[in-house]
Amino acid sequence: AAGVIQSPRHLIKEKRETATLKCYPIPRHDTVYWYQQGPGQDPQFLISFYEKMQSDKGSIPDRFSAQQFSDYHSELNMSSLELGDSALYFCASSSGTGGTQYFGPGTRLLVL
Amino acid sequence: KNEVEQSPQNLTAQEGEFITINCSYSVGISALHWLQQHPGGGIVSLFMLSSGKKKHGRLIATINIQEKHSSLHITASHPRDSAVYICAVARSGGYQKVTFGTGTKLQVIP
Repeated sequence: AAGVIQSPRHLIKEKRETATLKCYPIPRHDTVYWYQQGPGQDPQFLISFYEKMQSDKGSIPDRFSAQQFSDYHSELNMSSLELGDSALYFCASSSGTGGTQYFGPGTRLLVL
Repeated sequence: KNEVEQSPQNLTAQEGEFITINCSYSVGISALHWLQQHPGGGIVSLFMLSSGKKKHGRLIATINIQEKHSSLHITASHPRDSAVYICAVARSGGYQKVTFGTGTKLQVIP
């Protein structure tokens, strides 16, 4: 069965650069969630989208933005990268509000 | 107090041992996930439970909704099982942010 796909799997950037992470949900899933897990830390919820609209917002910095497109894939845009942004960013998708979340493998971002 | 608590935080076992990792939560949930994360690796979803028990290979996950408790068991543990195991719960009702436990770091020694 198709799973959640994230790209790229690994990304290296320098401070003050920008990065775009992509999440492709399971087919027919209309909800995407983004999480950030810093080194040695618990995952933290960033933001979620349902039917291309932002549905909930967590601890997402103002330097980050995200959107969900008509094909339901989502992109997390990160600007003015800081060393502290180095983390594993993973997304999850679900079908409908309150649907069970299925997790992607994550994108590991390293900011030098 | 965290909404999701795991125990133990660290676990070292000899190859072949039976391993149990526990997860307790304090909120109403619609589903509970057991996730595996290898060092430097991404997240692998092992199980998603809303009731009862599930088995996949040497892994067994159980959940008791009344007691708000879940366990992950590994039979005949192997060094490749060494990883961090994370319990995560999806709250019931509305848009579900998943709340993660702090993880259990497992090391299986040959």
